[in-house]
Amino acid sequence: KQEVTQIPAALSVPEGENLVLNCSFTDSAIYNLQWFRQDPGKGLTSLLLIQSSQREQTSGRLNASLDKSSGRSTLYIAASQPGDSATYLCAVGSIFSGGGADGLTFGKGTHLIIQP
Amino acid sequence: GAGVSQSPSNKVTEKGKDVELRCDPISGHTALYWYRQSLGQGLEFLIYFQGNSAPDKSGLPSDRFSAERTGGSVSTLTIQRTQQEDSAVYLCASSLGRQGPPGDNEQFFGPGTRLTVL
Repeated sequence: KQEVTQIPAALSVPEGENLVLNCSFTDSAIYNLQWFRQDPGKGLTSLLLIQSSQREQTSGRLNASLDKSSGRSTLYIAASQPGDSATYLCAVGSIFSGGGADGLTFGKGTHLIIQP
Repeated sequence: GAGVSQSPSNKVTEKGKDVELRCDPISGHTALYWYRQSLGQGLEFLIYFQGNSAPDKSGLPSDRFSAERTGGSVSTLTIQRTQQEDSAVYLCASSLGRQGPPGDNEQFFGPGTRLTVL
C-alpha cells in the first residue's frame, strides 16, 4: 500500500526566502506525482505534475523534482510571498493494473505561512 | 472553460438521513474521482470512474456509500443512513483518464461539498 509523508508539517518563514517542501513515498511504482495547494475552506489547486519518466517540472517561482528510485520529491518555492501562504499537498498516482491511473494517495500536507 | 463543479457546497443533515452529492466534471474528461477530507485527516480516495464504470469500489468506507455516473459525465455520491463520522468535505476531481498517456493524468479538483451530520 502506498504511503506518502510530507515534512515539515508546518513552516513559517519571512517574505522573500527561498524554501523547500519535502515529500516521500514508499512504493516507487508510480505514474506521476502531483503538487497541490489548498487555501482554507477551498478545494485543491494543481500546481505541478511530474510524470514518472521526468525529473522535474517548473512553473514560475515553483520547481518540483522527482527521484523515483529513492521515493522522494521536493517542491522549491523561490522568493516567497505572503500570497503563497496555504497548505501544500503532495499526491502520488499509482500504477493501475488495467492501465491508466486510479486515485491519488495524498500526504497530510505542509501548512506554510509567509510572514509579511 | 469551466472547471469541476460540485453541489451543494454545504449540506447539514440529521443522523440517519440519506444525502446525495453531485459532481459535474470538466467537459471531455472521462475519468472522475471522489475523495473525502475529514478534520485532522488527510485526503482519502473513495472511488474512481473511467466512463460510467467503476473498476474498484473497495475504497468506499462502508456499504452505506454508493456512487454512480451516467452518460459519462455527472456523478452522484450517495450516503445512506448518515452517521456523525461521515461529516467531512467530499471532493470530486476529473482528468483525461485513459485518453492520454498514463503519466499525464493531471487531476483537477472541484470546490468540495462540506457535509455536517448532526
